[in-house]
Amino acid sequence: EIVMTQSPATLSVSPGERATLSCRASQSVSSNLAWYQQKPGQAPRLLIYGASTRATGIPARFSGSGSGTEFTLTISSLQSEDFALYLCQQYDNWPPFTFGPGTKVDI
Amino acid sequence: QVQLQESGPGQVKPSETLSLTCSVSGASISSHHWSWIRQPPGEGLEWLGYIFETRNAKYSPSLKSRVTISVDTSKNQFSLRLTSVTAADTAVYYCARLGFLSGYYEYWGRGTLVTVSS
Repeated sequence: EIVMTQSPATLSVSPGERATLSCRASQSVSSNLAWYQQKPGQAPRLLIYGASTRATGIPARFSGSGSGTEFTLTISSLQSEDFALYLCQQYDNWPPFTFGPGTKVDI
Repeated sequence: QVQLQESGPGQVKPSETLSLTCSVSGASISSHHWSWIRQPPGEGLEWLGYIFETRNAKYSPSLKSRVTISVDTSKNQFSLRLTSVTAADTAVYYCARLGFLSGYYEYWGRGTLVTVSS
């Protein structure tokens, strides 16, 4: 099973600032990596797939990069609605699909 | 517009069987891969399994002996059964659909909290 880790666990930023979140896989997942945003009481929302492709309707301030074992999600200028939990998921080797524990972005 | 909605008991007793149903609208249950994913309180997401082509299922190795996913094409629904539950199975359970020929999740239900308690 591929283990996903994320850092930091919590990221405190101010509106308008840039946020950089990291995700690491225990072995290479190529570019088979997705990012989700989850707000309290809500289901996850797909942001990025293929490590760098934005899902439909996702603003351009969200960008993903990386391949192999190291990945980054960047939010270029945080808006108030962006404060949430961010999760990564690998889909290179399954079962099982595995998720990281998440990075909470708060004020 | 694809929509998924979970339903089922909010509480199950230890050692009993957890059963949930996901009702799908806007897509045929006979197409795509349909999954169950759970999230214990304050924790990350755990993939339980998926079903495709109405009868082919794959499960998480850690839960394989306790999990069954099935489809009811007449109702456009799919279901989860998890046997011999313990407090560790307390979680929000989500149903979700994989993107076409992909491994990422495009559509999710809102989730339902199941508590294992006597």
